[in-house]
Amino acid sequence: KQEVTQIPAALSVPEGENLVLNCSFTDSAIYNLQWFRQDPGKGLTSLLLIQSSQREQTSGRLNASLDKSSGRSTLYIAASQPGDSATYLCAVYAGGTSYGKLTFGQGTILTVHP
Amino acid sequence: NAGVTQTPKFQVLKTGQSMTLQCAQDMNHNSMYWYRQDPGMGLRLIYYSASEGTTDKGEVPNGYNVSRLNKREFSLRLESAAPSQTSVYFCASSDRPSGNTIYFGEGSWLTVV
Repeated sequence: KQEVTQIPAALSVPEGENLVLNCSFTDSAIYNLQWFRQDPGKGLTSLLLIQSSQREQTSGRLNASLDKSSGRSTLYIAASQPGDSATYLCAVYAGGTSYGKLTFGQGTILTVHP
Repeated sequence: NAGVTQTPKFQVLKTGQSMTLQCAQDMNHNSMYWYRQDPGMGLRLIYYSASEGTTDKGEVPNGYNVSRLNKREFSLRLESAAPSQTSVYFCASSDRPSGNTIYFGEGSWLTVV
């Protein structure tokens, strides 16, 4: 059974810092991996989607990498801002018989203080 | 820019009551999903519909039923609510069920007393 773990569970940093969020998964046979952002009381917003054949994806100040063989992904946020404060979740999709099912990590709660 | 719309946003039910959560998407997506989010458990898939006319069980389907009314709408029904179904429910959609970018609604907070 696929399990997804995110470390750290919570992170508090001053504005302007570069930071890394970690995601690990137990079964490397994944189809893709997504990073999401969730604001309090809101739904999830997809930030980046990395296909299994890709090594990384970038969007603005965000960069996500994927090392499928070691079961790891990192989300790098450059020059953090207070508006980046949210919960960040990663989710893997196995494909095949896991048709339509994403397995989520517990999330990292990020606080960026001015 | 509606995306995925869920109703109601908040609901309190008594044990044994029934209710239906409604979901509609305006992105012409083929696939729709219902997840629940619980502290310490993360998000778990309840049911999904890969395309109009089909529905399949996810990880935690017991106590729920779904209807894919048409391509836009996917409802989740609790026939006899239990306190264990107190949760935040999210509807989501994607163009294909192959893990493409998935779009979530804003959630429905359900409390069963």
